[in-house]
Parts: sequence; C-alpha cells; structure tokens
Amino acid sequence: SQKIEQNSEALNIQEGKTATLTCNYTNYSPAYLQWYRQDPGRGPVFLLLIRENEKEKRKERLKVTFDTTLKQSLFHITASQPADSATYLCALADTGRRALTFGSGTRLQVQP
Amino acid sequence: DAGVIQSPRHEVTEMGQEVTLRCKPISGHNSLFWYRQTMMRGLELLIYFNNNVPIDDSGMPEDRFSAKMPNASFSTLKIQPSEPRDSAVYFCASRVDRGGSPLHFGNGTRLTVT
Repeated sequence: SQKIEQNSEALNIQEGKTATLTCNYTNYSPAYLQWYRQDPGRGPVFLLLIRENEKEKRKERLKVTFDTTLKQSLFHITASQPADSATYLCALADTGRRALTFGSGTRLQVQP
Repeated sequence: DAGVIQSPRHEVTEMGQEVTLRCKPISGHNSLFWYRQTMMRGLELLIYFNNNVPIDDSGMPEDRFSAKMPNASFSTLKIQPSEPRDSAVYFCASRVDRGGSPLHFGNGTRLTVT
C-alpha cells in the first residue's frame, strides 16, 4: 500500500541549531515533492517544491533534498529560531495524479 | 489578494443535521480541493475540481458527503446527515493547474458534531 511517513514525535532543538525533518514514501513515483508549514488554527502554507530530477533546493534558511532511490526527502532549517516552531508537512503527487497526498507532519519546537 | 476564504470558521451541530461548508478560491485559480484533517488520519483529500468539474471524488467517505462547484468562485461541501465521526477541520485549497504549483489553503472550518 502507499504510505508517506514523517516522524510523529515532536522535534525539540535549541535556537541556532539546524533542524532536520524526514519524509519517507512507499509505492509512489512522484514527479515532485512539496513542503508546507502549518501553525495552530491555520491552513498549511507552501514553503518549497523539489522535482524528481533535482537533488537539492534552497530558499533562505531552508534546504530540501530529494533522493528518489532512497524514496526520501530531508527538510533542513538552519540557524533555527523560536518563530520556526510549527508543524511541517511533506506532500507529493503520484505520477498521473494532480492531487497532493500529505504526510501526517512533524511538530518542530525551537527552544530559545 | 484575499486568499482562500472559508466559512464558517466554526460549526457545532447535532447528529443528523445537515451541514454546509463554503469556500471561495483565489481568483484565477482553476483547481479547487477539499481536505479533512484529524489527529488520527492527518490531512486527507476528499475531492478536487478542475475548471469547476469534479475530477477525483474517491476520498469522499460515503454518500452522506457531496460537493459542488457551480462557478469558478464558489464551492460547497455538504454533509447530510452529519455524524459525530465527521468532526474534523475541513480545509479548502486552490491553485493554478500547472505541475508542481503550490496549494493555497484557507484557514479551515472546525466542525463538531455532537
């Protein structure tokens, strides 16, 4: 069966450190993968897109990698700040499908 | 840009009642999606429309759920009759239908069925 797995346990890190979140998928052949941020009581907000032919994408303090052999994406936040505390969701669209399927998300808590 | 607008923000109803959730997508976006989020199941796709036409409704739980998109600027999700297990946050999202384009979500409707 198809699965998208993110670490369900919250990730707690100290301010200034790098946060690394993992997204693993099974039985998908995604053309691309996206990462979203969700704050309590709000809808998810798009952060980054990475396509199957790209190994790495960066945007300011954010970096995403995509390994189609390992079927895994890593999401990094460098120099983390308390304001980065939120739930981060990965999402992908299977080949031929337009709709995104989301992982369950990982909650990040950055301690000052 | 007002973003995706959903109403109501909160809905509390009794089991058996009809519930209608509303969504106004971003102007110019031609794809619209309804998702449901719960602690147990995460964010699940219910249905999506492209150019006002339902493309994939395989996520709609059962016949009690129906969705319409009468025009490019409005969509409804109706539950009739509602049940306690329908309690969740319902999100509407829209985007331009182009590979990889991001979803823009509304802030959701929190539905509680007692």
